[in-house]
Amino acid sequence: QSMLTQPPSASGSPGQRVTISCSGANSNIGSNSVNWYRQLPGTAPKLLIYLDNRRPSGVPDRFSGSKSGISASLAISALQSEDEADYYCAAWSDALNGQVFGGGTKLTVL
Amino acid sequence: EVQLVQSGAEVKEPGESLRISCKVSGYTFDNHFIAWVRQVSGKGLESLGIFLPADFDSKYNPSFRGHVTFSADRSSSTAFLQWSSLQASDTAVYYCARQDHGGHHLDFWGQGTLVTVSP
Repeated sequence: QSMLTQPPSASGSPGQRVTISCSGANSNIGSNSVNWYRQLPGTAPKLLIYLDNRRPSGVPDRFSGSKSGISASLAISALQSEDEADYYCAAWSDALNGQVFGGGTKLTVL
Repeated sequence: EVQLVQSGAEVKEPGESLRISCKVSGYTFDNHFIAWVRQVSGKGLESLGIFLPADFDSKYNPSFRGHVTFSADRSSSTAFLQWSSLQASDTAVYYCARQDHGGHHLDFWGQGTLVTVSP
Protein backbone atom coordinates (compact mmCIF):
# COMPACT_ATOMS: atom_id res chain seq x y z
CA GLN A 1 0.00 0.00 0.00
CA SER A 2 1.03 3.62 -0.42
CA MET A 3 3.22 4.98 2.28
CA LEU A 4 4.67 8.32 3.12
CA THR A 5 8.30 8.64 2.01
CA GLN A 6 11.09 8.90 4.55
CA PRO A 7 14.83 8.33 4.21
CA PRO A 8 15.67 4.85 5.54
CA SER A 9 18.51 6.13 7.70
CA ALA A 10 19.92 9.24 9.31
CA SER A 11 22.86 9.86 11.59
CA GLY A 12 24.56 12.50 13.66
CA SER A 13 27.08 12.99 16.42
CA PRO A 14 26.14 13.82 20.02
CA GLY A 15 25.19 17.46 20.33
CA GLN A 16 24.41 17.89 16.64
CA ARG A 17 21.07 18.66 15.03
CA VAL A 18 19.47 16.22 12.60
CA THR A 19 16.35 16.45 10.51
CA ILE A 20 14.20 13.67 9.07
CA SER A 21 11.99 14.42 6.08
CA CYS A 22 8.61 12.97 5.20
CA SER A 23 6.73 13.48 1.97
CA GLY A 24 3.21 12.48 1.04
CA ALA A 25 0.30 13.60 -1.07
CA ASN A 26 -2.59 16.03 -1.03
CA SER A 27 -4.85 13.24 0.25
CA ASN A 28 -2.83 12.68 3.42
CA ILE A 29 -0.25 15.25 4.54
CA GLY A 30 -1.74 17.90 2.29
CA SER A 31 -5.11 17.79 4.04
CA ASN A 32 -4.37 16.39 7.50
CA SER A 33 -1.97 16.99 10.33
CA VAL A 34 1.28 15.08 10.62
CA ASN A 35 2.30 12.97 13.59
CA TRP A 36 5.65 11.47 14.46
CA TYR A 37 6.27 8.29 16.45
CA ARG A 38 9.47 6.94 17.94
CA GLN A 39 10.09 3.22 18.35
CA LEU A 40 12.91 1.82 20.42
CA PRO A 41 14.02 -1.76 19.57
CA GLY A 42 11.58 -4.36 20.82
CA THR A 43 9.05 -1.84 22.10
CA ALA A 44 5.81 -0.27 20.92
CA PRO A 45 5.84 3.04 19.05
CA LYS A 46 5.35 6.14 21.16
CA LEU A 47 3.83 9.46 20.11
CA LEU A 48 6.55 12.10 19.71
CA ILE A 49 4.91 14.96 17.77
CA TYR A 50 1.25 15.51 16.93
CA LEU A 51 -0.79 18.09 15.03
CA ASP A 52 2.32 18.91 12.96
CA ASN A 53 4.34 20.51 15.74
CA ARG A 54 2.95 19.81 19.21
CA ARG A 55 4.78 17.75 21.81
CA PRO A 56 3.01 15.44 24.26
CA SER A 57 3.77 15.98 27.91
CA GLY A 58 7.21 14.65 28.74
CA VAL A 59 8.75 15.03 25.28
CA PRO A 60 11.68 17.46 25.51
CA ASP A 61 11.74 20.58 23.38
CA ARG A 62 14.79 19.22 21.56
CA PHE A 63 12.19 17.58 19.33
CA SER A 64 10.25 19.77 16.90
CA GLY A 65 8.04 19.21 13.89
CA SER A 66 7.07 21.29 10.90
CA LYS A 67 4.94 20.93 7.80
CA SER A 68 4.66 22.69 4.48
CA GLY A 69 2.33 21.55 1.73
CA ILE A 70 2.70 17.80 1.31
CA SER A 71 6.00 17.56 3.19
CA ALA A 72 6.94 17.49 6.84
CA SER A 73 10.08 17.21 8.86
CA LEU A 74 11.21 16.24 12.34
CA ALA A 75 14.17 18.02 13.86
CA ILE A 76 16.15 16.75 16.81
CA SER A 77 18.65 19.14 18.34
CA ALA A 78 21.39 18.44 20.89
CA LEU A 79 21.45 14.81 19.79
CA GLN A 80 21.90 12.24 22.54
CA SER A 81 22.81 8.56 22.39
CA GLU A 82 19.38 7.60 23.72
CA ASP A 83 17.80 9.19 20.63
CA GLU A 84 18.85 6.13 18.63
CA ALA A 85 15.55 4.67 17.45
CA ASP A 86 13.26 4.26 14.47
CA TYR A 87 11.19 7.34 13.67
CA TYR A 88 7.92 7.16 11.73
CA CYS A 89 5.86 9.98 10.28
CA ALA A 90 2.14 9.47 9.79
CA ALA A 91 -0.98 11.28 8.66
CA TRP A 92 -4.64 10.42 8.47
CA SER A 93 -5.81 8.79 5.24
CA ASP A 94 -9.52 8.60 4.45
CA ALA A 95 -8.74 5.90 1.88
CA LEU A 96 -7.12 3.68 4.48
CA ASN A 97 -9.50 4.52 7.35
CA GLY A 98 -6.43 5.06 9.46
CA GLN A 99 -2.96 6.49 9.63
CA VAL A 100 -0.73 6.13 6.61
CA PHE A 101 2.82 5.71 7.87
CA GLY A 102 6.20 6.43 6.41
CA GLY A 103 8.58 3.54 6.00
CA GLY A 104 10.56 4.65 9.03
CA THR A 105 13.97 6.24 9.50
CA LYS A 106 16.60 4.54 11.61
CA LEU A 107 18.56 7.19 13.49
CA THR A 108 22.10 6.35 14.50
CA VAL A 109 24.05 8.47 16.95
CA LEU A 110 27.69 8.19 15.98
CA GLU B 1 -3.08 6.67 33.92
CA VAL B 2 -4.12 5.51 30.47
CA GLN B 3 -3.04 1.92 29.77
CA LEU B 4 -3.65 -0.54 26.97
CA VAL B 5 -2.63 -4.09 27.84
CA GLN B 6 -2.63 -6.70 25.10
CA SER B 7 -2.86 -10.47 25.27
CA GLY B 8 0.17 -12.69 24.92
CA ALA B 9 1.94 -14.15 21.92
CA GLU B 10 0.15 -16.72 19.78
CA VAL B 11 1.37 -19.49 17.50
CA LYS B 12 -1.18 -20.82 15.04
CA GLU B 13 -1.37 -22.90 11.89
CA PRO B 14 -2.74 -21.61 8.58
CA GLY B 15 -6.51 -21.81 8.43
CA GLU B 16 -7.00 -21.54 12.19
CA SER B 17 -8.99 -18.80 13.87
CA LEU B 18 -7.68 -16.36 16.45
CA ARG B 19 -8.83 -13.49 18.63
CA ILE B 20 -6.38 -11.20 20.41
CA SER B 21 -7.35 -8.65 23.01
CA CYS B 22 -6.55 -5.14 24.17
CA LYS B 23 -7.78 -4.18 27.65
CA VAL B 24 -7.87 -0.48 28.34
CA SER B 25 -7.97 1.49 31.57
CA GLY B 26 -7.61 5.06 32.72
CA TYR B 27 -10.20 6.59 30.38
CA THR B 28 -13.78 6.07 29.18
CA PHE B 29 -13.57 3.15 26.77
CA ASP B 30 -16.55 4.24 24.68
CA ASN B 31 -15.25 7.68 23.88
CA HIS B 32 -12.20 6.99 21.73
CA PHE B 33 -11.56 5.01 18.58
CA ILE B 34 -9.18 2.07 19.00
CA ALA B 35 -6.74 1.72 16.11
CA TRP B 36 -5.15 -1.59 15.16
CA VAL B 37 -1.68 -1.42 13.60
CA ARG B 38 0.55 -4.25 12.49
CA GLN B 39 4.29 -4.52 12.04
CA VAL B 40 5.90 -7.35 10.12
CA SER B 41 9.31 -8.24 11.53
CA GLY B 42 11.90 -5.69 10.45
CA LYS B 43 9.33 -3.67 8.55
CA GLY B 44 7.26 -0.57 9.08
CA LEU B 45 3.83 0.15 10.52
CA GLU B 46 0.55 -0.54 8.73
CA SER B 47 -2.98 0.43 9.78
CA LEU B 48 -5.69 -2.22 9.82
CA GLY B 49 -8.43 0.27 10.69
CA ILE B 50 -10.25 1.82 13.61
CA PHE B 51 -13.12 0.81 15.90
CA LEU B 52 -15.39 2.85 18.15
CA PRO B 53 -16.60 0.84 21.16
CA ALA B 54 -19.61 3.09 21.78
CA ASP B 55 -21.48 1.88 18.71
CA PHE B 56 -19.16 -0.78 17.25
CA ASP B 57 -18.49 1.53 14.30
CA SER B 58 -15.73 -0.25 12.35
CA LYS B 59 -13.70 1.31 9.57
CA TYR B 60 -11.32 -1.07 7.81
CA ASN B 61 -8.28 -0.51 5.65
CA PRO B 62 -9.48 -1.92 2.29
CA SER B 63 -6.44 -4.21 2.25
CA PHE B 64 -7.73 -5.98 5.37
CA ARG B 65 -11.51 -5.70 5.01
CA GLY B 66 -13.10 -9.14 5.08
CA HIS B 67 -9.99 -10.75 6.56
CA VAL B 68 -10.07 -9.26 10.07
CA THR B 69 -12.91 -8.24 12.36
CA PHE B 70 -12.96 -5.67 15.15
CA SER B 71 -15.16 -6.11 18.22
CA ALA B 72 -15.27 -5.32 21.91
CA ASP B 73 -16.64 -6.28 25.31
CA ARG B 74 -17.74 -2.96 26.75
CA SER B 75 -18.33 -4.46 30.20
CA SER B 76 -14.61 -5.19 30.54
CA SER B 77 -13.28 -2.30 28.39
CA THR B 78 -11.61 -4.77 26.08
CA ALA B 79 -11.19 -4.51 22.32
CA PHE B 80 -10.60 -7.51 20.10
CA LEU B 81 -9.00 -8.21 16.74
CA GLN B 82 -10.15 -11.45 15.16
CA TRP B 83 -9.32 -13.70 12.22
CA SER B 84 -11.48 -16.61 11.05
CA SER B 85 -8.80 -18.12 8.83
CA LEU B 86 -5.18 -17.15 9.38
CA GLN B 87 -2.58 -17.06 6.64
CA ALA B 88 1.19 -17.22 6.91
CA SER B 89 1.30 -13.61 5.74
CA ASP B 90 -0.53 -12.60 8.93
CA THR B 91 2.65 -13.24 10.92
CA ALA B 92 3.43 -9.90 12.59
CA VAL B 93 3.24 -7.91 15.79
CA TYR B 94 -0.18 -6.32 16.24
CA TYR B 95 -0.63 -3.16 18.27
CA CYS B 96 -3.76 -1.52 19.56
CA ALA B 97 -3.65 2.21 20.18
CA ARG B 98 -6.01 4.92 21.38
CA GLN B 99 -6.88 7.50 18.76
CA ASP B 100 -7.19 11.07 19.98
CA HIS B 101 -10.34 12.99 19.15
CA GLY B 102 -8.85 15.97 17.46
CA GLY B 103 -5.99 15.03 15.17
CA HIS B 104 -6.28 11.29 14.62
CA HIS B 105 -2.98 10.79 16.35
CA LEU B 106 -2.42 7.63 18.35
CA ASP B 107 -1.58 8.88 21.81
CA PHE B 108 -1.34 5.66 23.80
CA TRP B 109 -0.26 2.22 22.57
CA GLY B 110 -0.47 -1.33 23.81
CA GLN B 111 2.71 -3.35 24.15
CA GLY B 112 1.96 -5.46 21.08
CA THR B 113 0.96 -9.08 20.45
CA LEU B 114 3.17 -11.30 18.31
CA VAL B 115 1.14 -13.58 16.06
CA THR B 116 3.05 -16.37 14.33
CA VAL B 117 1.29 -18.42 11.67
CA SER B 118 3.28 -21.45 10.60
CA PRO B 119 2.40 -24.98 9.44
